[in-house]
Amino acid sequence: QTVVTQEPSFSVSPGGTVTLTCGLSSGSVSTNHYPSWYQQTPGQAPRTLIYTTNTRSSGVPDRFSGSILGNKAALTITGAQADDESDYYCVLFVGGGIWVFGGGTKLTVL
Amino acid sequence: EVQLVESGGGLVQPGGSLKLSCAASGFIFSDSFIHWVRQASGKGLEWVGHIRSKANSYSTEYAASVKGRFIISRDDSKNTAYLQINSLKTEDTAVYYCTRDGGAWNFDYWGRGTLVTVSS
Repeated sequence: QTVVTQEPSFSVSPGGTVTLTCGLSSGSVSTNHYPSWYQQTPGQAPRTLIYTTNTRSSGVPDRFSGSILGNKAALTITGAQADDESDYYCVLFVGGGIWVFGGGTKLTVL
Repeated sequence: EVQLVESGGGLVQPGGSLKLSCAASGFIFSDSFIHWVRQASGKGLEWVGHIRSKANSYSTEYAASVKGRFIISRDDSKNTAYLQINSLKTEDTAVYYCTRDGGAWNFDYWGRGTLVTVSS
């Protein structure tokens, strides 16, 4: 069974930079997993941030960027703002039409 | 404006069944793949499954955790997708979202979700 891993929590100072990662329990994440990232605040539906590794969704500020770092997908927030405090989820295409979400990262901005 | 609206959630006893709906508007529904994603209270997102378009034979895929109990279908004449959940378990308690496949390996639009509570 494929497990997608994310840091459970992360903290960043306002104006700072943070990189969240998305890995696989076995193997490396590549562009062929089409990693995408979603932001969710309590009580709200997820919002698409990044797809196909590094494409920003419409309306997403350019302080959000996606990449592959080593053997993981990564979401970098440059110049974090207070309203970036949210849960962040990655999802990977693992083949056979199957997608798997990571457990999510709770980001605190303080 | 693209909209997805889920409905059909509620309180159901263990072992029961429920059929959720996802009504779509603002785009060509028949061309789109639709996914279902669920989220238990305080927990993360879980991909449940998806249904492809008519051009892709309305084929479906499911997460291993729900395969055999969940059935995704669609009625393009009604611009609606469905999630039939059978043999409900307490661990199926969650908010169920439908989301559109944006055609670029992403889930680009999401509904607000419908809550399913499984309890005796």
